[in-house]
Amino acid sequence: DAKTTQPTSMDCAEGRAANLPCNHSTISGNEYVYWYRQIHSQGPQYIIHGLKNNETNEMASLIITEDRKSSTLILPHATLRDTAVYYCIVRVPGGSTLGRLYFGRGTQLTVWP
Amino acid sequence: GAVVSQHPSWVICKSGTSVKIECRSLDFQATTMFWYRQFPKQSLMLMATSNEGSKATYEQGVEKDKFLINHASLTLSTLTVTSAHPEDSSFYICSPARGEAYEQYFGPGTRLTVT
Repeated sequence: DAKTTQPTSMDCAEGRAANLPCNHSTISGNEYVYWYRQIHSQGPQYIIHGLKNNETNEMASLIITEDRKSSTLILPHATLRDTAVYYCIVRVPGGSTLGRLYFGRGTQLTVWP
Repeated sequence: GAVVSQHPSWVICKSGTSVKIECRSLDFQATTMFWYRQFPKQSLMLMATSNEGSKATYEQGVEKDKFLINHASLTLSTLTVTSAHPEDSSFYICSPARGEAYEQYFGPGTRLTVT
């Protein structure tokens, strides 16, 4: 299984962009990169996913390097409510056509006023 | 995003009793259900995967006779913790998915405390 490496914690000032890195150097060609976040005592929240191309939605942007060995999640204008643990996950194919999501330790992002 | 509910949101039970946790996908049909648990200050751990109408597949180290999973319909799955012990105290989270499930959603979680 491909593994991911993320910094344990990061800080960001409110209103600034938060850039969360993730290393997945052993990713396979058909594996997607997913990002989720978990606010304390809640279930994880889907943010974004991608395969090769950069992706953007209303929550964030995902930048994947050309060799796909790393990616960066960008929250363009962080707010206090973005304080959470952010998980970068590589989707492992399994269970018919559905892959399982295995969570690492994630990055604790703290947004300060 | 999809709406997922879990019931109860928290439960306290005595050691040796069984507890059932319900997970419902309210606005889509979940062909697959994942169950996770999370101990304090730790990450989510996948416990099992179930497809509607078939037996669940358990991750290594998870006792299938202790954690009974039923996925009888496309909108409802249950996790029963049998003969619960204090070490089963944890945060249990369901995650229903459909098709290729490029966007996999999670329930709000159930906090189980066994005394």
